[in-house]
Amino acid sequence: SQQGEEDPQALSIQEGENATMNCSYKTSINNLQWYRQNSGRGLVHLILIRSNEREKHSGRLRVTLDTSKKSSSLLITASRAADTASYFCATDHRDDKIIFGKGTRLHILP
Amino acid sequence: NAGVTQTPKFRVLKTGQSMTLLCAQDMNHEYMYWYRQDPGMGLRLIHYSVGEGTTAKGEVPDGYNVSRLKKQNFLLGLESAAPSQTSVYFCASSYYFQEQFFGPGTRLTVL
Repeated sequence: SQQGEEDPQALSIQEGENATMNCSYKTSINNLQWYRQNSGRGLVHLILIRSNEREKHSGRLRVTLDTSKKSSSLLITASRAADTASYFCATDHRDDKIIFGKGTRLHILP
Repeated sequence: NAGVTQTPKFRVLKTGQSMTLLCAQDMNHEYMYWYRQDPGMGLRLIHYSVGEGTTAKGEVPDGYNVSRLKKQNFLLGLESAAPSQTSVYFCASSYYFQEQFFGPGTRLTVL
C-alpha cells in the first residue's frame, strides 16, 4: 500500500488566500518530500525535509513535519493562479524505495 | 543539460505485444525509478535501481522487467502488454535520497 496519504483530495481557494494540505504516513522515514505536478506534466520537486527537522521554508512554501504524529503539512501563502496543480508528498524508506501519495488537487479561483 | 528524457512520448499497443521504454539521464545520478500514474491513484513505483547493474521491485512490478546496463539509462520492458497496463509512465532519477528529477512521461495505451 502507498505510504503517504494526502488530505484533502481536492481544494479550491480564492487567489491570494493560503492553501494548506496534509500528508500522513505509516512507518518511520528518513526524509519527506513535496512535489508539484501541472496537468499532463512530470513532477517538479518543491522541498525536502529530513526526519530531524521540524519546519522548512522556501519562498511562499512552508513545510512542517511531526514525526510523533507521522504527518507533514505544506502551506502555500498568498496563492496565485499558477499554483493550480496537484501536490504530492513522497516518503523514503530504509529499503531504498520512495513512495508517493495520491495527491491533493489544488485549484486557485480568480 | 537535457535532464531526464523518455522515449517514446506516446505509444499504442495491442494486447500481447511487447515494447521497451527508454529513460536516459545526464546528471550522473545513481538512483533511477520507473512509476506509473493512473487517474486518482497517484504515482506507483514499478521498479527502481540504486546503481548500474542493480534493479529492485517496487510496489507494482508484475508484468514489467527492467535493466540498468549503463548508469545513465534505465529500460522498462513489457513482454506481453495487457489493457491494465494502459497508463502514463514516468521515469525519475536522483542523487541518492535527494530530490527526484522527472521525465516528461510516456502515454501508453493497450488495446
